[in-house]
Amino acid sequence: QKEVEQDPGPLSVPEGAIVSLNCTYSNSAFQYFMWYRQYSRKGPELLMYTYSSGNKEDGRFTAQVDKSSKYISLFIRDSQPSDSATYLCAMSAMTTDSWGKLQFGAGTQVVVTP
Amino acid sequence: DSGVTQTPKHLITATGQRVTLRCSPRSGDLSVYWYQQSLDQGLQFLIQYYNGEERAKGNILERFSAQQFPDLHSELNLSSLELGDSALYFCASSGSSGGADWGETQYFGPGTRLLVL
Repeated sequence: QKEVEQDPGPLSVPEGAIVSLNCTYSNSAFQYFMWYRQYSRKGPELLMYTYSSGNKEDGRFTAQVDKSSKYISLFIRDSQPSDSATYLCAMSAMTTDSWGKLQFGAGTQVVVTP
Repeated sequence: DSGVTQTPKHLITATGQRVTLRCSPRSGDLSVYWYQQSLDQGLQFLIQYYNGEERAKGNILERFSAQQFPDLHSELNLSSLELGDSALYFCASSGSSGGADWGETQYFGPGTRLLVL
């Protein structure tokens, strides 16, 4: 079983809809949670990161972390065709032997149709 | 543009050969990370260097090695290449914000696409 599970999709939504993405994980030591966006054949781009549990909002993006359920989510409001990409969750434990090691989910492909 | 540069963008080589991938981190970043992305394995952490010293190792094969130089650029060396080494190789950097750097804000370069024939 993988440490981080993420549905690969594809997830197709109409323009203007809310995109809902999520990941589950098994390692309770994970403390930092990130979301990356990756366009085809490009490097992943950091969208948001959250420390421990709670919500974080940045423009049209909202990240949620529920450590008790080992579940994280990313919501994209008012989706645009330019949001079409693969979204990867990543997480890291804040320990000296896991310093900097990001564990990535498989990525969810999102398609926003005009 | 993340500020991380990688060269070359594409590399085509034959099995058994050796290649070197190069990465320049963002200005001021002390940490450099290498990742491999393949269709079946996803994005996998290989190795991290901090200010010239190896800090963390992931699932990096013995045929692979890396180093970080005094000017903070890094190189990933892949030797005795096999067909299965064909993948996208990304470099990321972090650490210019000061204070403790747990690597939570890693900025990725555009990657090097390696094809082994």
